[in-house]
Amino acid sequence: DTAVSQTPKYLVTQMGNDKSIKCEQNLGHDTMYWYKQDSKKFLKIMFSYNNKELIINETVPNRFSPKSPDKAHLNLHINSLELGDSAVYFCASSQGTGGYLLATGELFFGEGSRLTVL
Amino acid sequence: AQSVAQPEDQVNVAEGNPLTVKCTYSVSGNPYLFWYVQYPNRGLQFLLKYITGDNLVKGSYGFEAEFNKSQTSFHLKKPSALVSDSALYFCAVRDIGSSGSARQLTFGSGTQLTVLP
Repeated sequence: DTAVSQTPKYLVTQMGNDKSIKCEQNLGHDTMYWYKQDSKKFLKIMFSYNNKELIINETVPNRFSPKSPDKAHLNLHINSLELGDSAVYFCASSQGTGGYLLATGELFFGEGSRLTVL
Repeated sequence: AQSVAQPEDQVNVAEGNPLTVKCTYSVSGNPYLFWYVQYPNRGLQFLLKYITGDNLVKGSYGFEAEFNKSQTSFHLKKPSALVSDSALYFCAVRDIGSSGSARQLTFGSGTQLTVLP
């Protein structure tokens, strides 16, 4: 069984469209994340969702909106796609919701969703 | 603010030789340090972490890392490299803020390791 699964794996779309990426984890973890990896392989945190608390990275445009129907799922919806949104988006999860458990727990990553905006 | 530096974009090593991938960090609290590996077109995989205790930590696939508090470093090492170790390696750090909440995990820029046959 895949621990953290994302769909779709590849997404090609036109500028201005709206798209969603889904993520599910079967590890029983309390915290989930979205990361963006650009063409130079830099990884940037976008969001984390921890015990029903959404922590937003202030550099993320409000065209990006995470939605968590339950603690096993964290989906990413993107409105009005732009060329600069082209990247690989990774979902991840980790154990714990408090300070020490959360800080010391390793992340488990999905395989990534490659978004190409034309 | 926390930060991680991986000073080498690329490390090349011959198969069978020891390898080192360098990482230095900066945090205000106690550092919790991690190494991850990314193979082409795959997600990141956890290799090892330092939380407390013994400065030498051992992880998956024969990798180990040494925590050095005075040099604020956490270099990844392996005694004998394999061609299959060729991948992108990320160092990451996390700490706990003054409010008691965990800060976000911060990644370095990554080091591409190539093991030559």
